[in-house]
Amino acid sequence: LAKTTQPISMDSYEGQEVNITCSHNNIATNDYITWYQQFPSQGPRFIIQGYKTKVTNEVASLFIPADRKSSTLSLPRVSLSDTAVYYCLVGVLTGGYNKLIFGAGTRLAVHP
Amino acid sequence: GAVVSQHPSRVICKSGTSVKIECRSLDFQATTMFWYRQFPKKSLMLMATSNEGSKATYEQGVEKDKFLINHASLTLSTLTVTSAHPEDSSFYICSARSRLAGTDEQFFGPGTRLTVL
Repeated sequence: LAKTTQPISMDSYEGQEVNITCSHNNIATNDYITWYQQFPSQGPRFIIQGYKTKVTNEVASLFIPADRKSSTLSLPRVSLSDTAVYYCLVGVLTGGYNKLIFGAGTRLAVHP
Repeated sequence: GAVVSQHPSRVICKSGTSVKIECRSLDFQATTMFWYRQFPKKSLMLMATSNEGSKATYEQGVEKDKFLINHASLTLSTLTVTSAHPEDSSFYICSARSRLAGTDEQFFGPGTRLTVL
C-alpha cells in the first residue's frame, strides 16, 4: 500500500481557501486517492475521491497531476466548523477489499 | 446515505473485565467491516478486517485472543476486548464496506470511547 505524506498542521482564517497537499510517490496504477475528515471523538467522514485530473463535489475539489504522485485537497471559503484532521489515503477501489491505512493526517485550524 | 452505528458510544469498565462493542450497518449490507483504534492526538490504526461468516484477519501486532471479532451477519460485527487493562483504553472505530455494485466506499461509525480503570 502506498505511503502518504502530508503536512502535520495548517492554519487558516474564515473565508479563505485552503489547499492541503499529499505526496504519494509509490502510488500504484489501480490506486484511487481518497480524503477523509475527522472531528474530535468522531469517526472519519468521506470527503472526496479521485483517480486523475480534477474532481469536484459540493464540499471540496481534488486536484491530481498527470503523474499522480501527489494530490491537493482544496476547501473553498473555510469556516470555523472546518477545523478538523484531514487524511489522505490511497488504495485499490475495486477488486479485493480496500484496506485503508491512515497516515498522520493534517490538523487544520481555522481562526476567526 | 449509508449509516454505521456503534454501541455503546462510551464505556467505563474495571480492569480484568471484558467489553463488547457492536458495529452495525443500518441501511446497507456490508461485505467487510474493519476495526480501528485511535489514541489521543494520533491517527487511526487498523486492527483487523472481518468478512461475514469467516474469521477475522488481524494486523501485525494485534492479539487475536485479546480482541475477539465476530461478524455474524452482513449488518453486524462485534469487537470484544477481553480481560481489559488500562492500556486498552482508547477510541475504537469500525467501518463498513458497502457491497453495492460500482462502489467500494467505506462508511465509518461514530466510535466507542473505552476507559479501563
